Amino acid sequence: EVQLVESGGGLVQWGGSLRLSCAASGFTFRSYYMHWVRQGIGKGLEWVSGVGTVGDTFYPGSVKDRFTISRDNAKNTLYLQINSLRAEDTAVYYCGRGTTAAPGTDYWGQGTLVTVSS
Amino acid sequence: QTVVTQEPSLTVSPGGTVTLTCASSTGAVTSGYYPNWFQQKPGQAPRTLIYSTNNKHSWTPARFSGSLLGGKAALTLSGVQPEDEAEYYCLLYYGANWEFGGGTKLTVL
Repeated sequence: EVQLVESGGGLVQWGGSLRLSCAASGFTFRSYYMHWVRQGIGKGLEWVSGVGTVGDTFYPGSVKDRFTISRDNAKNTLYLQINSLRAEDTAVYYCGRGTTAAPGTDYWGQGTLVTVSS
Repeated sequence: QTVVTQEPSLTVSPGGTVTLTCASSTGAVTSGYYPNWFQQKPGQAPRTLIYSTNNKHSWTPARFSGSLLGGKAALTLSGVQPEDEAEYYCLLYYGANWEFGGGTKLTVL
């Protein structure tokens, strides 16, 4: 059974840093593209990063200078480092698995909440 | 700045059919945008229903289908059930990055 379990969220101060983790199980982690997506409270979904099977990384312009996605295939774990935290980073962060046949998504974790306080 | 546009809200009667659409500010949506469709209910994580325009996952009910329609990606629900009331999001691929639409709140009434 495919499982994705996010952790590392919590209450953090404005300007601080945080590293989120996503523990993957039930599939060959190194063979899949992985996504991070976030959702502000009462807001829509926002794609914030992706990492390919060879470690190539992708970001939208809105977070490119502050977010770093990485993966540890030996630990079956996906990470998201967030620096210079802002109020607008307050959100539930979800990790998701990419499909192999074509660009896409399939399984998602339950999310971890990040709250940025001033 | 790329903008992906969805209908903010739609209402459908139980047993009816409804089509949600997803447009790109860059022009017509084609299969090369690999449209994905998600369902999200309050307090739950998103669930991918459709990937790469019209491909279903094992958990996707048969009444959901994806297509391209008039330059947009489309999600059609045929024989709508009360449990289909949810927020629906599309996701488009722009060569390296992805962009979500703003979501459609579907009410079954």
